[in-house]
Amino acid sequence: AQTVTQSQPEMSVQEAETVTLSCTYDTSESDYYLFWYKQPPSRQMILVIRQEAYKQQNATENRFSVNFQKAAKSFSLKISDSQLGDAAMYFCAYRSALLAGYALNFGKGTSLLVTP
Amino acid sequence: EAGVAQSPRYKIIEKRQSVAFWCNPISGHATLYWYQQILGQGPKLLIQFQNNGVVDDSQLPKDRFSAERLKGVDSTLKIQPAKLEDSAVYLCASSLWKTSTDTQYFGPGTRLTVL
Repeated sequence: AQTVTQSQPEMSVQEAETVTLSCTYDTSESDYYLFWYKQPPSRQMILVIRQEAYKQQNATENRFSVNFQKAAKSFSLKISDSQLGDAAMYFCAYRSALLAGYALNFGKGTSLLVTP
Repeated sequence: EAGVAQSPRYKIIEKRQSVAFWCNPISGHATLYWYQQILGQGPKLLIQFQNNGVVDDSQLPKDRFSAERLKGVDSTLKIQPAKLEDSAVYLCASSLWKTSTDTQYFGPGTRLTVL
């Protein structure tokens, strides 16, 4: 079974600064997908960014980018120019690519606090 | 495009009572998931449907939990009887069943408190 580990229960960043959230995973599969989801206090999960394991290029979405190290099984999220609206729980998730529709396997999450 | 709808948003019951949650996925989404999110943890899959068939229910406590998806659209998740440890947020998600890159979209969740 695949496991996802987020070793930082809480992180804090000042507005306009950069913060990196860590995630490691364990799998024996060669093809899979990795995700970062954001869950604000209202609880609705929102997809932040996705990375396909077969792609060497790191995914980016505006102020969000990832550092994907396949050999190290590491998948960190970098948030640049942090904004107050970035405050939320961030979950790293893994999904097998063997079949369409596989469920997500989540880490325990990192709570991000953004201070003015 | 309307998102995933869930109701109720909050529910408080006493242990040994029964409760039901409802989910309406995004139109056209063949796959529907129910996740349980206990406070301080990430969501954990309870059951996954493709259309009206069950794909994975290996982590569903079948002695007390049941779920159905009639006509391959709406779904209900039931707990009977509830235990204290069932206190959690129950998230419903849906996705297309076309490619392995399909994104899962989540509803707002139902927060269950069992007293």
